[in-house]
Amino acid sequence: QPVLTQPPSMSGAPGQRVTISCTGSRSNIGAGYEVHWYQHLPGAAPKLLIFGNNNRPSGVPDRFSGSKSGTSASLAITGLQAADEADYYCQSYDSGLNGYVFGPGTKVTVL
Amino acid sequence: QVHLVESGGGVVQPGGSLRVSCAASGFTFTSYGMFWVRQAAGKGLEWLTVISYDGTNKNYADSVKGRFTVSRDNSKNMLYLQMSSLRAEDTAVYYCARADSKWELSHWGQGTLVTVSS
Repeated sequence: QPVLTQPPSMSGAPGQRVTISCTGSRSNIGAGYEVHWYQHLPGAAPKLLIFGNNNRPSGVPDRFSGSKSGTSASLAITGLQAADEADYYCQSYDSGLNGYVFGPGTKVTVL
Repeated sequence: QVHLVESGGGVVQPGGSLRVSCAASGFTFTSYGMFWVRQAAGKGLEWLTVISYDGTNKNYADSVKGRFTVSRDNSKNMLYLQMSSLRAEDTAVYYCARADSKWELSHWGQGTLVTVSS
């Protein structure tokens, strides 16, 4: 069982909003450890989208936003574009494992 | 700008060893912790190890603990991952990444492919 869980796939039409969940537990997200989100296109290096739960690095469009509540976090993509088709991963730290963890990833398809 | 370039991947037999390297440029290497992350074909990202800015603190995922060793040479702006007792399930693309203040991975290399096969 992954420590962080994400839906395997999500889809939406261009212009729509998609929200990806990342569910953890009291040893990671619920313990206050911050959540980061990455976009990974095939054949490319992963790209940091959101850090520290809800902060965007410079250059990341404000169509991407993050939030955290309790033992879960979410990544929202608004105004969905074809270029947003990618795998999205959440990442945090787990005190039980004494290490960093990634969610299993969510494949976003633009219909 | 920040540049991370992995090298050293290749084909190695089960039980064998291999060292992959990561050349860093465009930033003050000695100020940042560094990660190794891998991705097997069709699988997700897997955190492997982290090393502190000065190399004094290291942490490993259980899947590689005792088999992989991370190190860095700050005089050369180089990060290394020494892998031993390699298994078929270690076959993956190996990425190095820079960790920023909240331990987010702000910059990644393009990865190097390691294939463990007889």
